[in-house]
Amino acid sequence: DAGVIQSPRHEVTEMGQEVTLRCKPISGHNSLFWYRQTMMRGLELLIYFNNNVPIDDSGMPEDRFSAKMPNASFSTLKIQPSEPRDSAVYFCASSRPGWEDAEAFFGQGTRLTVV
Amino acid sequence: RKEVEQDPGPFNVPEGATVAFNCTYSNSASQSFFWYRQDCRKEPKLLMSVYSSGNEDGRFTAQLNRASQYISLLIRDSKLSDSATYLCVVNQAGTALIFGKGTTLSVSS
Repeated sequence: DAGVIQSPRHEVTEMGQEVTLRCKPISGHNSLFWYRQTMMRGLELLIYFNNNVPIDDSGMPEDRFSAKMPNASFSTLKIQPSEPRDSAVYFCASSRPGWEDAEAFFGQGTRLTVV
Repeated sequence: RKEVEQDPGPFNVPEGATVAFNCTYSNSASQSFFWYRQDCRKEPKLLMSVYSSGNEDGRFTAQLNRASQYISLLIRDSKLSDSATYLCVVNQAGTALIFGKGTTLSVSS
């Protein structure tokens, strides 16, 4: 089992540039989550999908952030334009059907630095 | 008020000590409860689920008090390898997992 796969692992970009983070959930999992982690705010839910449909995007900071899930095996989180305050670790997680009691499996995260 | 609150610590304890972490949650509709563990610069991983009757897994015991909206984690006979951040997690039906900011534990020899 390959687990949740995120890419890239590290990204350094200049302010104003577009950033795209990628996630491949575990096969058979139908819920996918994007979280952001900083020292100040901890782990914050940005958006989650159920069966490829966005269910709750209230955590997306602003219009500069967008997320898509075109199929069950792939999701992207895009930031355009990026700003220094977006610097954080972005985690993708997935869980199986009946996820309310199920374990959420996390990818290794993408460490984003915007300079 | 934050949905899930934890004492950030750090808790510094010697090997063999017993340590307890507490967590409170604000939404009485929360239905599922968990403790996750996160090692430095790693992803969070499930440590254990928390059931109303309380549950134990080796040296770890989790308790839930729905009336007080309070969750606890007890670690007995602490090991060096227990050093990590422990995240309290809740969810309600139809929502995603909501994480506390975590409690840092450092176990020393």
